Amino acid sequence: KNEVEQSPQNLTAQEGEFITINCSYSVGISALHWLQQHPGGGIVSLFMLSSGKKKHGRLIATINIQEKHSSLHITASHPRDSAVYICALPSGNQFYFGTGTSLTVIP
Amino acid sequence: DGGITQSPKYLFRKEGQNVTLSCEQNLNHDAMYWYRQDPGQGLRLIYYSQIVNDFQKGDIAEGYSVSREKKESFPLTVTSAQKNPTAFYLCASSVGGFTDTQYFGPGTRLTVL
Repeated sequence: KNEVEQSPQNLTAQEGEFITINCSYSVGISALHWLQQHPGGGIVSLFMLSSGKKKHGRLIATINIQEKHSSLHITASHPRDSAVYICALPSGNQFYFGTGTSLTVIP
Repeated sequence: DGGITQSPKYLFRKEGQNVTLSCEQNLNHDAMYWYRQDPGQGLRLIYYSQIVNDFQKGDIAEGYSVSREKKESFPLTVTSAQKNPTAFYLCASSVGGFTDTQYFGPGTRLTVL
């Protein structure tokens, strides 16, 4: 059983579309990270959130700790958003990672 | 410029040889981490260190060793005991522990021939 499930695994969107990526988990956590991995392999941390909602530019992340679910939304998607998006959960002295959602935005 | 660096970007080694991957940060972060990524799989934590001269095993520490003699540096040695060492290795750092934002290096792609 995976502690972290992301959906969808792959996503193709037209430029301008609204994107939602979901992360469900089974472990107890106090915070959750959303990461973005570019095709070259580099990883950037997008959000760290423990409750509610955070917004940064066209990116919005939400978390419901009670329901053990988080979502990452991208408004007005652009080809430069094409990347793998990963949710990561610290729990105690462990770190659980989703396998990622591969997003391709077509012009 | 502040940041975290890894070298080299690509590394090739013969089977049975130990190899050390470098990770340096000038962000003044206390915590540093090593991850491994295999194709189609999520990141997995190898080792982490929350303070100089101290480090803890992650999920897949077998066949790896680390040291943390300086705050800025957290080298990872892939030993000959690691059965499948070919992978993409990422180093990261954060101000404090796991709930702080992590800053990642560009990664080292290790291929064992």
